[in-house]
Amino acid sequence: KNQVEQSPQSLIILEGKNCTLQCNYTVSPFSNLRWYKQDTGRGPVSLTIMTFSENTKSNGRYTATLDADTKQSSLHITASQLSDSASYICVVRLTGNQFYFGTGTSLTVIP
Amino acid sequence: DSGVTQTPKHLITATGQRVTLRCSPRSGDLSVYWYQQSLDQGLQFLIQYYNGEERAKGNILERFSAQQFPDLHSELNLSSLELGDSALYFCASSGTEGGPLHFGNGTRLTVT
Repeated sequence: KNQVEQSPQSLIILEGKNCTLQCNYTVSPFSNLRWYKQDTGRGPVSLTIMTFSENTKSNGRYTATLDADTKQSSLHITASQLSDSASYICVVRLTGNQFYFGTGTSLTVIP
Repeated sequence: DSGVTQTPKHLITATGQRVTLRCSPRSGDLSVYWYQQSLDQGLQFLIQYYNGEERAKGNILERFSAQQFPDLHSELNLSSLELGDSALYFCASSGTEGGPLHFGNGTRLTVT
């Protein structure tokens, strides 16, 4: 069982619509959680980073939430654009130096 | 541009061969991480170096090895290649242990 699970596995939405991606993790002790965007054939790029004490963090049209008690995070994308089509990866870092990667959500935005 | 450079971008080789992938981290970053991403799979952590020393090991096969040189660039050596080794290999660097990861654009390895 993957220790960082993301849902849905894939998602197709119309341009201009909003969507929310989920990340549930079981690993501990938690240090921070990052959301990355990975375009096809490119390296992942960091969108947000959240520590234990942060509940919400925004980066433009991307808003991440974190509930460290339930070990859940979400990434909300508003007013989606065609360029948002990518894989979104949730990464949990433990205290120390271990990173746990989710398998990602593949988002396709269609006109 | 993340500042992390990986070469070559593409590599096609035959089974049984050996290849070397190269990574130049962001200027000043001491940590280098290697990841493997197979088709439609998540990123699998292989190995991490910090300032020339191996710091953590993941699911790295014995046929694979890596090192980080004094100038902080790193090389990932893959030997006795098998068809299943075909994947994207990413290098990432960070300035402090556990700091944000900055990824290169990967080397796509195809084993035929």
